[in-house]
Amino acid sequence: DIQMTQSPSSLSASVGDRVTITCRASQTINDYLNWYQQKPGKAPNLLIYAASSLQSWVPSRFSGNGSGTDFTLTITSLQPEDFATYYCQQSYNTPQTFGQGTKVEIK
Amino acid sequence: EVQLVQSGAEVRKAGETLKISCKTSGYSFNTYWIAWVRQMPGKGLEWMGIIYPGDFDTRYSPSFQGHVTISADKSINTAYVQWSSLKASDTATYYCARAREPGSLTGPISNWGQGTLVTVTS
Repeated sequence: DIQMTQSPSSLSASVGDRVTITCRASQTINDYLNWYQQKPGKAPNLLIYAASSLQSWVPSRFSGNGSGTDFTLTITSLQPEDFATYYCQQSYNTPQTFGQGTKVEIK
Repeated sequence: EVQLVQSGAEVRKAGETLKISCKTSGYSFNTYWIAWVRQMPGKGLEWMGIIYPGDFDTRYSPSFQGHVTISADKSINTAYVQWSSLKASDTATYYCARAREPGSLTGPISNWGQGTLVTVTS
């Protein structure tokens, strides 16, 4: 199985801050990397697919980058509705695997 | 509108059987992979397996292979996951989720059910 490692596991930030979350794959996955946002008690929502393509509902302050094994999710100006847990996922092969998640909390 | 509506919360005892469902609508059921994802209380997302209803091709995570069975019924556009012998460690919320693109096993998941909470008591 491909292991996905996210860092940090959690972070505290203020509204307006720039936030970057990293995700590393244990082997190359080309750009088969997706990001999800999950709020408490809700199902996850797809944010970014194919490493850098934004899903239709996602505001432009979100961006994704990377290829191969190293990827980033960046939020350029954190908004109150962005406080949530973020997961990366590789869909390069099965079993598809998720990172352990990064919880973004209010400072 | 694409919808995935899951069956309601379940409480079972260890050793019992269970089958939970995911009824879909708003798209061609046969042509999109559907995955199942586990989330244990307070924990992260775990990919369990995936099925292509068109030909019932099914792939499992080794972590779940042999413990769950994923299936689909094309006549009622519904996917299932079932257990033949539940354990207390199966207590979790289970999500069904549809692939973003038809026929794509390597794409993201774009549509999720609301989740089914399964509680297993010992």
